[in-house]
Amino acid sequence: DIQMTQSPSSVSASVGDRVTITCRASQGINSWLAWYQQKPGKAPRLLIYAASSLQSGVPSRFSGSGSGTDFTLTISSLQPEDFATYYCQQANSFPITFGQGTRLEIK
Amino acid sequence: EVQLVESGGGLVQPGGSLRLSCAASGFSFSSYAMIWVRQAPGKGLEWVSTISGSGSNTYYADSVKGRITISRDNSKSTLYLQMNSLRVEDTAAYYCAKYVADGKRWFDPWGQGTPVTVSS
Repeated sequence: DIQMTQSPSSVSASVGDRVTITCRASQGINSWLAWYQQKPGKAPRLLIYAASSLQSGVPSRFSGSGSGTDFTLTISSLQPEDFATYYCQQANSFPITFGQGTRLEIK
Repeated sequence: EVQLVESGGGLVQPGGSLRLSCAASGFSFSSYAMIWVRQAPGKGLEWVSTISGSGSNTYYADSVKGRITISRDNSKSTLYLQMNSLRVEDTAAYYCAKYVADGKRWFDPWGQGTPVTVSS
């Protein structure tokens, strides 16, 4: 199975800050990576697919990069609605696996 | 508008059974693979199962293999998850979600989730 490891597990930031979350795969997955946002009590929402493609309707302050084993999600200027938990997910092979999540909190 | 609405969750004793449903609307249901993902209280996301658009191909996480069966009724635009021999560790919110495109294992949208509690 491909293990996905996110860092940090949690981060505190202020509105307007730039934040970067990292995801590392235990083996190469090319660009078969997605990022999701989840708010408390809500379903996950797809933000980024194919490592760097922005899902329709997602604000352009979200961006993704990377390939192989190392990936990043960047939020260029945090907005109040961005405080949530973020998950990466490998789409290379079964079993599909997710990172453990990164909780983004208000400083 | 694409919508997924789960139902069927509830409280069940260890060893019991439950069938979850996911009613889909707003898209050509039979054209898309679907998945179930679960989330234990306070924990992360865990993929459970995938089914192809035709229903002919299914995939399961090792943690549920042999106890859980995914199926679909394309005439009713409904996805199912039959869960047998339930364990305490199956307690979670269960989400259904739609593949964005054929062969692309990313998922959008997701349903609101249905809670399953396995407890005596």
